[in-house]
Amino acid sequence: DIQLTQSPSFLSASIGDRVTITCRASQGINTLLAWYQQKPGKAPRFLIYAASTLQSGVPSRFSGSGSGTEFTLTITSLQPEDFATYYCQQLNSYPFTFGGGTTVEIK
Amino acid sequence: EVQLVESGGGLVQPGGSLRLSCIPSGLTLRDYDMDWVRQAPGKGLEWIGRYRNKGNSLTTEYAASVKGRFTISRDDSKNSLYLQMNSLNTEDTAVYYCARGKIRCGSTNCWNDGFDIWGQGTMVTVSP
Repeated sequence: DIQLTQSPSFLSASIGDRVTITCRASQGINTLLAWYQQKPGKAPRFLIYAASTLQSGVPSRFSGSGSGTEFTLTITSLQPEDFATYYCQQLNSYPFTFGGGTTVEIK
Repeated sequence: EVQLVESGGGLVQPGGSLRLSCIPSGLTLRDYDMDWVRQAPGKGLEWIGRYRNKGNSLTTEYAASVKGRFTISRDDSKNSLYLQMNSLNTEDTAVYYCARGKIRCGSTNCWNDGFDIWGQGTMVTVSP
């Protein structure tokens, strides 16, 4: 199985900050990586696919990059509604594993 | 608006069974690959299985943690997706989500892009 390691697990940030989350795969997955945002008690929200393509309706302050084994999710100018937990997911092969999550908290 | 609604969760004893349903509005299940994902209390997301659509031979895939105990099926006459869970144990306690697989196809290949629509989830508690 492909393991995904996200870092950091937690981060504290302020409104307006630039935030970067890293996701590392245990083997190459091309660009078959997705990012999700989840708020407490809610279902995940699909943000980015193919490592860097923004899903329709997602604000442009979110961006993704990477290929192979290293990927990043960047949020420029953090907004109050962005405080949440973020997960990466690989879709290169079954099982479709998720990273452990990164919780973005208000500083 | 496209929506997915899960139901069937509840309290069950270890060793017991439960069947979850996922009923969509605004979409026809047979046109898509559909997935089940679960989340144990306070934990991360775990993919547990997929039901592929006709173009993918109507096959299923499962995570090792549930293979042989869980079965995903679909009833096209009811436009419904199911997750039959047998031999449940306490580690199966979680919120269970169904989700639509987003697939992108080129001229010769298709790629999985992720899960673009999720239900609200249904809670399954396995406890004596």
